Amino acid sequence: DIQMTQSPSSLSASVGDRVTITCRASQGISNYLAWFQQKPGKAPKSLIYAASSLQSGVPSKFSGSGSGTDFTLTISSLQPEDFATYYCQQYNSYPPTFGPGTKVDIK
Amino acid sequence: QVQLQESGPGLVKPSQTLSLTCTVSGGSISSGSYYWSWIRQPAGKGLEWIGRIYTSGSTNYNPSLKSRVTISVDTSKNQFSLKLSSVTAADTAVYYCARGMTTVTLWGQGTLVTVSS
Repeated sequence: DIQMTQSPSSLSASVGDRVTITCRASQGISNYLAWFQQKPGKAPKSLIYAASSLQSGVPSKFSGSGSGTDFTLTISSLQPEDFATYYCQQYNSYPPTFGPGTKVDIK
Repeated sequence: QVQLQESGPGLVKPSQTLSLTCTVSGGSISSGSYYWSWIRQPAGKGLEWIGRIYTSGSTNYNPSLKSRVTISVDTSKNQFSLKLSSVTAADTAVYYCARGMTTVTLWGQGTLVTVSS
C-alpha cells in the first residue's frame, strides 16, 4: 500500500491567517490526490480532487497543488468555520489510502 | 440532491457478522458512472477504505479486509450493503457509505458500530 504522511499533525492559527498543510506519498501518485475536511462528530467533506481541482461548492479560499509525491493544501484566509481536521487521500494505487490528518485549531 | 444514509445494528457481538445498508435518496443508484464505497473510522483515528462496488456489480476490496468483506448492491431498493464477518473489537468504528467517480465526492453521515459482548 502507498503510505501517506501529513505535516504538521496539528497547528494553531488565528482567523485571517494563511495556512498550508503538506501531504507526502511514499511513491509517485501523479495528481491522484484528494483533500477532505472533517469537523468533530461529522462526516468528512470533499474539498479537492486531482490535487488542485475544487469540488463544486467549495470556496476558492481553498487551493491545492503538487504532483508526484509532494502536495499542499492552502487556506488563504482562515475563518472560524475552517477549524477542522484535514485529510489527504491518494487514489492512484489500490487500495486508496488516507493520510493521518492535520488538526487545525484556534490559537 | 443525492443523499446517503447508513443503517444497521449499532452493537455486534465478537465473531459475528456486521451488516450495514446505505440508502440512496434523491437520485438513482444506477444513474451515472459512480462507484459506491464503504469507509470506516475508529474513534479518534484516521480513515480506512473498506471497499467499493460499481452498479455493474463489480467490486474492489481492501486486501487487509478482503477475506471478511462483502459489498453488494440492490438497485431495486436503491441501496448497497456491507457485510464484515468474524468481527473483533478492532472493527469498532464509525462506518461511512460514500459515492464517487475517481475519488469520494459524497459521504453519508456515518453510523457507529460497536463490537462487544
